[in-house]
Amino acid sequence: ETGVTQTPRHLVMGMTNKKSLKCEQHLGHNAMYWYKQSAKKPLELMFVYSLEERVENNSVPSRFSPECPNSSHLFLHLHTLQPEDSALYLCASSQDLDRVNTEAFFGQGTRLTVV
Amino acid sequence: GNSVTQMEGPVTLSEEAFLTINCTYTATGYPSLFWYVQYPGEGLQLLLKATKADDKGSNKGFEATYRKETTSFHLEKGSVQVSDSAVYFCALSDQGASKIIFGSGTRLSIRP
Repeated sequence: ETGVTQTPRHLVMGMTNKKSLKCEQHLGHNAMYWYKQSAKKPLELMFVYSLEERVENNSVPSRFSPECPNSSHLFLHLHTLQPEDSALYLCASSQDLDRVNTEAFFGQGTRLTVV
Repeated sequence: GNSVTQMEGPVTLSEEAFLTINCTYTATGYPSLFWYVQYPGEGLQLLLKATKADDKGSNKGFEATYRKETTSFHLEKGSVQVSDSAVYFCALSDQGASKIIFGSGTRLSIRP
């Protein structure tokens, strides 16, 4: 069982839909992340949260809206997406934000298809 | 800035073959180095890590040694199995998990 759980595993949505991705970590970590993994492109860090505060937003379009209600849960709200937003969205967590030698723990991802 | 370069894939080997996936890095500080593995349809899992020069990380028969003199962290396994088919990512961080830099990934396919 992974310590980071993402739901749903697969999602198909139209360009006018609104949907949300959910991530929950059971590791007692203080930092959480959203990554985007597209075919033939490097992993892209989208958002970083530390103790429920957003500390990084890497030029992500406003049609992606993150929410971190507590240190265990992270959401990614989606609206009016484009077909090029189809990708695997990965959630990750780490013990702290800036502790050296600390790795990130990943969820299994949500495979998003925008039609 | 920091960067990671890993060998282009895909790599195709027969079962029980010896595996090497090359990884070199550029860093201004003293980074920690990681290998992550992504099995089909899954997220990334930490395979092994090394936090200082000459450290050897190992797990599931895989090994990698932190070579500061050659700025390398090559992944090796003596005898691969079909179940090792996956995408392997080399990564580094010198400022914590929020600043992990990933390589582009190397797809490995093992033939029975």
